[in-house]
Amino acid sequence: EIQLMESGGGLVQPGGSLMLSCPTSGFSFSSSWMNWIRQAPGKGLEWVANIHPDGVDKYYVDSVRGRFTISRDNAKSSVYLQMNSLRVEDTALFYCVAWTADNSFWGRGTLVTVSS
Amino acid sequence: DVVMTQSPLSLPVTLGQPASISCRSSQSLAFSDGTTLLDWFHHRPGQSPRRLIYRVSNRDSGVPDRFSGGGSGTDFTLKISRVEAEDIGIYYCFQYTHRPHTFGPGTRLEIK
Repeated sequence: EIQLMESGGGLVQPGGSLMLSCPTSGFSFSSSWMNWIRQAPGKGLEWVANIHPDGVDKYYVDSVRGRFTISRDNAKSSVYLQMNSLRVEDTALFYCVAWTADNSFWGRGTLVTVSS
Repeated sequence: DVVMTQSPLSLPVTLGQPASISCRSSQSLAFSDGTTLLDWFHHRPGQSPRRLIYRVSNRDSGVPDRFSGGGSGTDFTLKISRVEAEDIGIYYCFQYTHRPHTFGPGTRLEIK
């Protein structure tokens, strides 16, 4: 069974930090691009960041570059998103998404709320 | 950034009737070898999004053959040959040829 289990979301004040984690199982994690995609309340999907299978190449949407850091641990089949300097506009449901050669797997998401 | 637009944004359809969603990109999504990184996702209320079509026209495993994708360059289309009740939700096109990757605004399909 394929599983992606996001955790680490919660309520944080503007300027604060959170680290999202996404342990996975059931597919070839070490050969998959891993992504974080978010959906703000009442809005559409927004791609946030992704990381190459080797963990070296990382890419970000402009609005989070310099504040968010994506990382992975292939030994643990897990991907992470360190989020610093959080803003109210970062409030969203964050999904962990795996891309394999011919599949796309999504977690259920973890909710991040940035509010004072 | 590549801007993705979709039309219509709202699509009321009678059960059993066809439906079509257009997606346009502000830049060509084709590489020089013709590879085009454009996917379609379906997002049902209360569920995680699900990919239906990858690389323009390839159906994902388990996706009914009433769904088809086509197009090239900057113009793409998702077609449903006969809409069923389970097809309600929001459909997004998504490009990953260019960085940052970008989604379209979504098309909400509802049953008349």
